[in-house]
Amino acid sequence: GAGVSQSPSNKVTEKGKDVELRCDPISGHTALYWYRQSLGQGLEFLIYFQGNSAPDKSGLPSDRFSAERTGGSVSTLTIQRTQQEDSAVYLCASSPSSTQYFGPGTRLTVL
Amino acid sequence: GQNIDQPTEMTATEGAIVQINCTYQTSGFNGLFWYQQHAGEAPTFLSYNVLDGLEEKGRFSSFLSRSKGYSYLLLKELQMKDSASYLCAVFTGTASKLTFGTGTRLQVTL
Repeated sequence: GAGVSQSPSNKVTEKGKDVELRCDPISGHTALYWYRQSLGQGLEFLIYFQGNSAPDKSGLPSDRFSAERTGGSVSTLTIQRTQQEDSAVYLCASSPSSTQYFGPGTRLTVL
Repeated sequence: GQNIDQPTEMTATEGAIVQINCTYQTSGFNGLFWYQQHAGEAPTFLSYNVLDGLEEKGRFSSFLSRSKGYSYLLLKELQMKDSASYLCAVFTGTASKLTFGTGTRLQVTL
């Protein structure tokens, strides 16, 4: 079956611009996560959606970051006024219970 | 705070056995995961330990000791394709929080 998909696979933007990253989870998975992986760093938790519950936003690094999940399926991570330190791979994962299944990620480069 | 430690890099020979250790100090524990990540690719699930002991799955085994805050991933009969980063991750107090170590980059040589 289809796995988690993310788009775009690569995004290059200029400092100060807004970007939107998309995640399509595995069908039927109720939980959806966003992580950030910087070069040489571990995965950093950003935000978690579970069903219709309020999302856990405790990992978002600043108010420039936001995410939404429409209809309990597709999710969009938005970064406003991008900074060079936002350059990283942004990974999405979905889960039916405990195990998380990751998408291929979006590599974001802020010039 | 949350702290997960793994060696940064390891090298092993094709056909050999390698053990990758992970120690953790976290506020709460609901299970420990191991993921494999090839360069430029997404992490893929390897194992999930909730109770103490050894879980074996083919060439890969994972061990957990909750009292010691310690886990290891054992890879047997190493193959060149096993060259990858291996990520240790802990489910902490709230089920939503999966905290990752920085990963161990394993290089398998001939």
